Amino acid sequence: NAGVTQTPKFQVLKTGQSMTLQCAQDMNHNSMYWYRQDPGMGLRLIYYSASEGTTDKGEVPNGYNVSRLNKREFSLRLESAAPSQTSVYFCASSEGSRDYEQYFGPGTRLTVT
Amino acid sequence: GQSLEQPSEVTAVEGAIVQINCTYQTSGFYGLSWYQQHDGGAPTFLSYNALDGLEETGRFSSFLSRSDSYGYLLLQELQMKDSASYFCAYNTNAGKSTFGDGTTLTVKP
Repeated sequence: NAGVTQTPKFQVLKTGQSMTLQCAQDMNHNSMYWYRQDPGMGLRLIYYSASEGTTDKGEVPNGYNVSRLNKREFSLRLESAAPSQTSVYFCASSEGSRDYEQYFGPGTRLTVT
Repeated sequence: GQSLEQPSEVTAVEGAIVQINCTYQTSGFYGLSWYQQHDGGAPTFLSYNALDGLEETGRFSSFLSRSDSYGYLLLQELQMKDSASYFCAYNTNAGKSTFGDGTTLTVKP
């Protein structure tokens, strides 16, 4: 099992450009999450999906959109990147009954200039 | 409001025991999780407490007191590889987790 995979690993964008971060999990988990982690800080929830076809805003959703394409895949889109979105982005998944135990992907390091 | 507090840094020597405290404030509290993150890596799940008391997993133990809104992670027989950041996170009835800002543990020889 690959667990949770994310692409790309690194990305540099100019202000105003758009991009989509991809995430996939092969553990048959219902719940999937997108977090951002700024230097020296904890993880902040951007969006959450409890099951295929459902999404819910987290703590910091502004400037982002998500798509739960199917049970395996959950993508995060930045429509018009801003320097404040420079961060490390982590995707995670969990079984619905064990949302306290999340499995994380390796992260995408995004720089917006 | 909703928040978690944990110390920003802790230093200990190899072979010692260290305790990382976490206090929280939230409604709809279900339980407290702990995660480890090495520099440049992804967080990995360590432990979870839903009920009061101690949970032991090898060298790591986690404790919760719901009445005090307090928990801690106890690391015994510290090894150099334990140098990492440790995050507490509370889980709510909405199925989401909120993470603290993390405690950086430095283990010295």
